Parts: sequence; C-alpha cells; structure tokens
Amino acid sequence: QKEVEQDPGPLSVPEGAIVSLNCTYSNSAFQYFMWYRQYSRKGPELLMYTYSSGNKEDGRFTAQVDKSSKYISLFIRDSQPSDSATYLCAMRGGGADGLTFGKGTHLIIQP
Amino acid sequence: NAGVTQTPKFQVLKTGQSMTLQCAQDMNHNSMYWYRQDPGMGLRLIYYSASEGTTDKGEVPNGYNVSRLNKREFSLRLESAAPSQTSVYFCASSRVSYEQYFGPGTRLTVT
Repeated sequence: QKEVEQDPGPLSVPEGAIVSLNCTYSNSAFQYFMWYRQYSRKGPELLMYTYSSGNKEDGRFTAQVDKSSKYISLFIRDSQPSDSATYLCAMRGGGADGLTFGKGTHLIIQP
Repeated sequence: NAGVTQTPKFQVLKTGQSMTLQCAQDMNHNSMYWYRQDPGMGLRLIYYSASEGTTDKGEVPNGYNVSRLNKREFSLRLESAAPSQTSVYFCASSRVSYEQYFGPGTRLTVT
C-alpha cells in the first residue's frame, strides 16, 4: 500500500459546480498537508497548506484534514474552466525534509 | 525575480551517456530538492539539500548524484543514463519544507 492514495480521475464537472478532491494516507507521522495545482507541462504550484487537523479557507478553496481518519480534502466552490488542472496532495512528517505526494487527480471543468 | 529556473528544458540521451541538470533559485531559500515525475507514479523525491554543504537521499536516489554548489544552485547528475530514467525532473526550493516552490521542469528521454 502506498503511503498516499489519490484517485487519478479524470474528474469532469460543469462550470459553477462544487468540486471535492480527496486523499487518504497511512503514515500517522504526517503533520503538514498541502495541495498543489499543476497545469499541463508546468511545475506544481502550492495552493494551500494545513498543519495538523482542521479546516483552512482561501477564497474559493477550502482544505480539510481529518487525522483520525487519515483523510484530507480540497473543495473548490464556483469552479471555473481555469481550474482545470491536475491537483496533487502532499504530506510531510517523520523527520525527512522532502514531501510525499499523491499521484494527482486530473480535473476538467466543462464550460 | 525568476523564482526557480532549470536548464535544459528538454534533453534526449542515449543509454550510457551522462548529463547534468542545473537548477538555481533566487529566493534565498536554504533547502532545495530534486523530484522526478512519471505517469501513474506521481512526484518522487530523488535527493534534497537542507542547507548549503549538505545533501541527503530521498525515495529514489539510485543512478543519480547531486551537488549543492552554493546556496542558489543544486545540480543533478546522471552518470550513465538508462531508459528507466526517462522522466520529467523538477527542482524545488523552500524556506520551510511544507512550502516548496517548483521550477518548470526538464523533460528527459533516454533511448
């Protein structure tokens, strides 16, 4: 079992819909939880990070972490065609400096 | 302010050839990282450098060497390229490990 599991999609939704993206993980040492967005043929860019459990909101984006269930989510409200990209969850903990990534979910917002 | 830059953008090598991927950052970050991204595998950490003068292995270090030339530059060397090293390589830097900034990537094909 991989440390971080993420459904690769593709996930296709109409413009304006609420999008829910999720990851599960197995390493209870993870403390920091990140969401990166990656456009085609570009490098990943950090959207949000959350420390430990709880919610964090930034504009149309909300990140949730449930450490008891080892489950994290990213919600996108009022989705736009420009949100079409691959969304990668990432986690950090256990003493190493690098991040452990999920495989990414390919999201398509249909105009 | 260019952020993280990588050269070259594209490279084709024959099996057994060597090459060095270059990475530089202008954000005065202490930590730098090399990842590879393969279809269906997500981003995997090859090596990282927590500070100038130190390097550590990540998840997939075999077949690679790194040099932290100074605070700005972190290079990745393939001594004897193999087809299994065909991938997209990303360099990243950070002040804190959960907030990593990625370069545009190098697309490497080994034939």
